[in-house]
Amino acid sequence: EVQLVESGGGLVKPGGSLRLSCAASGFTFSNAWMSWVRQAPGKGLEWVGRIKRKIDGGTTDYAAPVKGRFTISRHDFKNTLYLQMNSLKTEDTAVYYCTEMRPYYYDSSGYSYWAIWSWGQGALVTVSS
Amino acid sequence: SYELTQPPSVSVSPGQTASITCSGDKLGNKYACWFQQKPGQSPVLVIYQDTKRPSGIPERFSGSNSGNTATLTISGTQAMDEADYYCQAWDSSTFYVFGTGTKVTVL
Repeated sequence: EVQLVESGGGLVKPGGSLRLSCAASGFTFSNAWMSWVRQAPGKGLEWVGRIKRKIDGGTTDYAAPVKGRFTISRHDFKNTLYLQMNSLKTEDTAVYYCTEMRPYYYDSSGYSYWAIWSWGQGALVTVSS
Repeated sequence: SYELTQPPSVSVSPGQTASITCSGDKLGNKYACWFQQKPGQSPVLVIYQDTKRPSGIPERFSGSNSGNTATLTISGTQAMDEADYYCQAWDSSTFYVFGTGTKVTVL
């Protein structure tokens, strides 16, 4: 059974930094793409960023609102995903979900399509003075 | 940037069919997924690649995608299906885009 357990959430002042961790188990972590998704209080889901597996280059992509401030990394030997958040703003207040992604389709050129598959329970980050 | 629009709410009687739409430019050319989120819980994937159900998702959940609209259909809706539903698609410039969300109420 896939388990994703986020930690590191809390209260931080505007302009501050915080690092979230996500401990993964129940699947081959090094084979997975991983994403962070957030949800502001009473609002909808917002994709934050994704990191590919190392054999696909281990590259990252980010949503425009967090690009340049947030960094996703992974430690495959520890089965752990990280989200380093810097220069935090009040609008970053949200529950942050760690998600496992899985490939579901390969087209004729070999390009793979990945879906957000499993979710953690979430970690609350509150940015307030 | 790419956007996906859903109706804010849908009401359905128990046993009836609920249809939730998701609109986006040329959405039919992309693959759509759907997530269910019950109050206080994490989202759950219910449909991927437009029409496919992950293991453990009841057959009453089905999906379609054509033109500018993807649709999640819940047949024989049950009280336990009351939740928020989000569509999601991948776009080359905006990456993983979520819809605005639809609250399904089972009256």
